[in-house]
Amino acid sequence: AQSVTQLDSQVPVFEEAPVELRCNYSSSVSVYLFWYVQYPNQGLQLLLKYLSGSTLVKGINGFEAEFNKSQTSFHLRKPSVHISDTAEYFCAVSLMDTGRRALTFGSGTRLQVQP
Amino acid sequence: GAVVSQHPSRVICKSGTSVKIECRSLDFQATTMFWYRQFPKQSLMLMATSNEGSKATYEQGVEKDKFLINHASLTLSTLTVTSAHPEDSSFYICSARDPQGIDTQYFGPGTRLTVL
Repeated sequence: AQSVTQLDSQVPVFEEAPVELRCNYSSSVSVYLFWYVQYPNQGLQLLLKYLSGSTLVKGINGFEAEFNKSQTSFHLRKPSVHISDTAEYFCAVSLMDTGRRALTFGSGTRLQVQP
Repeated sequence: GAVVSQHPSRVICKSGTSVKIECRSLDFQATTMFWYRQFPKQSLMLMATSNEGSKATYEQGVEKDKFLINHASLTLSTLTVTSAHPEDSSFYICSARDPQGIDTQYFGPGTRLTVL
């Protein structure tokens, strides 16, 4: 079975500073990789996804992530954060070889941007 | 992007009653929808996969007789929590798979269920 690990439950950072949210996964088959953001009492919004091709993926709101197959990682980065980036961020995977395409989520990282 | 709506956004009910939550894809047809449950400060856990015109596929440990799922059309899936109890209180989120985009799921805004 596949699993997703987000080691940092909370990441405090000052406004305009860079940030990296870590994500590692485990799977016996190839996966697609995703980052979602959740604002309070809302559903999830897709930030970016890796399906194939270039390992550096750019998403919305200035976020990017790099797929590292050897380290089974998909860390999310932003060079300069804003107060409005304060939210919960979830890394997720889906298996390539199934038709069901359900997502397996990590436990989430709370990004807290301070002025 | 595509829009998925959920109704109601918030519901409070008494123990023993049933609650129905609707999930609609507003501008695309979704043959597959997913239902997730999220406890406070925790991640989303997949409950079931809803397929239009067929029975839902439930994850291990999810009681299919308690959480009834109906996917009667390509734009609507419903989750009914039967005989709700306080431990069923949670945030329920649906997602719809976009058949046009590879592995793209669009999430609804969620439904906060509180069982007294």
